[in-house]
Amino acid sequence: EPEVTQTPSHQVTQMGQEVILRCVPISNHLYFYWYRQILGQKVEFLVSFYNNEISEKSEIFDDQFSVERPDGSNFTLKIRSTKLEDSAMYFCASGGSGGAGEQFFGPGTRLTVL
Amino acid sequence: DAKTTQPTSMDCAEGRAANLPCNHSTISGNEYVYWYRQIHSQGPQYIIHGLKNNETNEMASLIITEDRKSSTLILPHATLRDTAVYYCIVGYTGGFKTIFGAGTRLFVKA
Repeated sequence: EPEVTQTPSHQVTQMGQEVILRCVPISNHLYFYWYRQILGQKVEFLVSFYNNEISEKSEIFDDQFSVERPDGSNFTLKIRSTKLEDSAMYFCASGGSGGAGEQFFGPGTRLTVL
Repeated sequence: DAKTTQPTSMDCAEGRAANLPCNHSTISGNEYVYWYRQIHSQGPQYIIHGLKNNETNEMASLIITEDRKSSTLILPHATLRDTAVYYCIVGYTGGFKTIFGAGTRLFVKA
């Protein structure tokens, strides 16, 4: 069964450093998403991406964040200058191959900012 | 903020049906109802979705009231592995700003 994969599973970085989180969505899916979940808190929507552009973004997704689909398979989230409060689990999701809204999530990347 | 209201937690005996309610009184005419669950700290898992009619798949059934202001997710024979946080979400088809609330923490007990 096809699944969303994410790398790395855990990343540790120093405050102020740039990080890139990588995702391989399910092939033939059209919609791509990033979410984060701070330990013990809700899953928070960051951004959705369709047709090579952002379709929706939350207030969290400020200028420090960017997304890219550099080729036909990868979908990346870049945080330019990490802050302590960026420490969280980051989930990628893909969906909508048939135009419906169900999303299939990856296992997540745990980002720890020191 | 989430546009849905769910109980904070529920218990269910193993082998029995788990019925998880959700209120979405402000749902608009072309918004779907989606259900996801999250087991421990894994990525959320899609369960089922519907617009107006009741839906069933291999995991669960979704019952939507005629006025669409509430719905119930039914796990027909709950197992210990169904212990998770269950999220009811309303939204459109692909690309919408998906708002997860606090969900319902379901405990399935032996």
